[in-house]
Amino acid sequence: DAGVIQSPRHEVTEMGQEVTLRCKPISGHNSLFWYRQTMMRGLELLIYFNNNVPIDDSGMPEDRFSAKMPNASFSTLKIQPSEPRDSAVYFCASSLLAGDNEQFFGPGTRLTVL
Amino acid sequence: AQSVSQHNHHVILSEAASLELGCNYSYGGTVNLFWYVQYPGQHLQLLLKYFSGDPLVKGIKGFEAEFIKSKFSFNLRKPSVQWSDTAEYFCAVNRGGRDDKIIFGKGTRLHILP
Repeated sequence: DAGVIQSPRHEVTEMGQEVTLRCKPISGHNSLFWYRQTMMRGLELLIYFNNNVPIDDSGMPEDRFSAKMPNASFSTLKIQPSEPRDSAVYFCASSLLAGDNEQFFGPGTRLTVL
Repeated sequence: AQSVSQHNHHVILSEAASLELGCNYSYGGTVNLFWYVQYPGQHLQLLLKYFSGDPLVKGIKGFEAEFIKSKFSFNLRKPSVQWSDTAEYFCAVNRGGRDDKIIFGKGTRLHILP
């Protein structure tokens, strides 16, 4: 298996622009998580899905952030409009619900908003 | 609220020194416990996990951790560290059952001097 796939790996954009981050979970996994990591705040859970349904979005910082999971093999995290304080590494992770719930992380997307 | 505490934010050791990183969690029920490692510039990878059975868990690269239920602890150990162990280490807990969200500690940055 290729593991969790994220794209793009790096994104540089200007303040006010829309940013879309993409994630393909491991095949067969039915839970998907979006995290944000910064030096100041560490690792933060933004939102997670079970069987494509959003379960907990309490970590989404503002209405500028939205996430979708249209099917079991694809999810997006969108920021519109982006701001410099959104600069961070965004990780996607997936797991198999029921069992030990080990999460497998993708390589991350490093976002820089100028 | 469920929480995970890592006592050491930054640890500096010389090669061949012994390592112990502390981790305590606040949930009193059945738990699954994890240690993840993040090497510089990379994503989080599983180091070891406790699901059930023997409370002394052995992971990759010579790491081990001991689950002490009475102390709500899951400390990470390695008898002799190497320069390549320089990384950030995250303790994490999952409540098991159908709750697949993992609560991460804030991480411990380990720096090994050659």
